[in-house]
Amino acid sequence: DAKTTQPNSMESNEEEPVHLPCNHSTISGTDYIHWYRQLPSQGPEYVIHGLTSNVNNRMASLAIAEDRKSSTLILHRATLRDAAVYYCILRDNNAGNMLTFGGGTRLMVKP
Amino acid sequence: GAGVSQSPSNKVTEKGKDVELRCDPISGHTALYWYRQSLGQGLEFLIYFQGNSAPDKSGLPSDRFSAERTGGSVSTLTIQRTQQEDSAVYLCASSPAGLLGREQYFGPGTRLTVT
Repeated sequence: DAKTTQPNSMESNEEEPVHLPCNHSTISGTDYIHWYRQLPSQGPEYVIHGLTSNVNNRMASLAIAEDRKSSTLILHRATLRDAAVYYCILRDNNAGNMLTFGGGTRLMVKP
Repeated sequence: GAGVSQSPSNKVTEKGKDVELRCDPISGHTALYWYRQSLGQGLEFLIYFQGNSAPDKSGLPSDRFSAERTGGSVSTLTIQRTQQEDSAVYLCASSPAGLLGREQYFGPGTRLTVT
């Protein structure tokens, strides 16, 4: 799977929107963009995924650049429970099915 | 409904002993994955099952590690002659069959400490 680059950490205030960036300049046409998050002492949790178009679900929104070389996970209103490590992962639809986790972004939410 | 469960939640063992870690996937999920996460690190893929077969064992770090899956359900990860560097959280995930691009559901993990 192609590599992703994320900031090591970000801070946000509670009840404000958060934009978590991810660069994936070597993305291929068959790569889906997945986001997972890991709360302290828990296993990772699926957040959202997309291919080309922007996606929305109850947890977050995913904005994908037109050239697909970057994407942004948007939490519309951060809560203290959103404090976690957020992983941006590229998953090739035609190759193996495992997830390749990078370092992720540690999001801290201040009350 | 029930999620992915793993047992034990914590395991402390002496160096050189064998350990078995168990994963119960979500009912009906035919794909099952094992990962491990060392302290402060990201997740490292170990092995993937589709049904009872393992088409991808590329992540197993050494021949001391093995895994099996029976009945297309429960999976066991076995580590023989444990070493201190095997200390980590071992995570299991499952996924529905035939739905490429779909999410994986993770269990809470087994924390293994080798003393």
